[in-house]
Amino acid sequence: EAQVTQNPRYLITVTGKKLTVTCSQNMNHEYMSWYRQDPGLGLRQIYYSMNVEVTDKGDVPEGYKVSRKEKRNFPLILESPSPNQTSLYFCASSLRPSEKLFFGSGTQLSVL
Amino acid sequence: AQTVTQSQPEMSVQEAETVTLSCTYDTSENNYYLFWYKQPPSRQMILVIRQEAYKQQNATENRFSVNFQKAAKSFSLKISDSQLGDTAMYFCATYNNNDMRFGAGTRLTVKP
Repeated sequence: EAQVTQNPRYLITVTGKKLTVTCSQNMNHEYMSWYRQDPGLGLRQIYYSMNVEVTDKGDVPEGYKVSRKEKRNFPLILESPSPNQTSLYFCASSLRPSEKLFFGSGTQLSVL
Repeated sequence: AQTVTQSQPEMSVQEAETVTLSCTYDTSENNYYLFWYKQPPSRQMILVIRQEAYKQQNATENRFSVNFQKAAKSFSLKISDSQLGDTAMYFCATYNNNDMRFGAGTRLTVKP
């Protein structure tokens, strides 16, 4: 089944404790991206990747890191999480960014 | 940078009736792509419809259709014969030149 697998689904952590949210797709997509969803703000792009070893900042990259060492994986890293990073996070992939995005099931992150 | 505005935070419609969700955007580009995504209570993001700006014909997908007014920078979504399963958040989005933008969303409730 074609899908984007994102883990964990829920995560509660404390300020400053490094964490990684994993994202993997099995559709051989070139393009992958991360978003955060906040009430009243919709989805905002954090980082995107056009291909392996190619990543770029989106609209709200501060406090986040990503890597694209393999085509299928695009993890999101929070080196020192802060409460303002409490949000719902989505990973997505597509053949090209102008095409349909396939989304993961989301990660609800709470930073205390 | 592009902006996407959804002016209706919440809407409701009776089952079997028709509803239109509004979306306006601002871009200086001539070639771009427009999307409507649906997010039901399961929080999974699902593509509803996609429109290429250089195509004048309005996109349709079964009960879903758009009214694309390029000069007015308007991209409204019409849902015909509304069903209970259409209850969801709906996000309008645009893409061009490595910039993906989402609106704040419209929460649609279909009433029996």
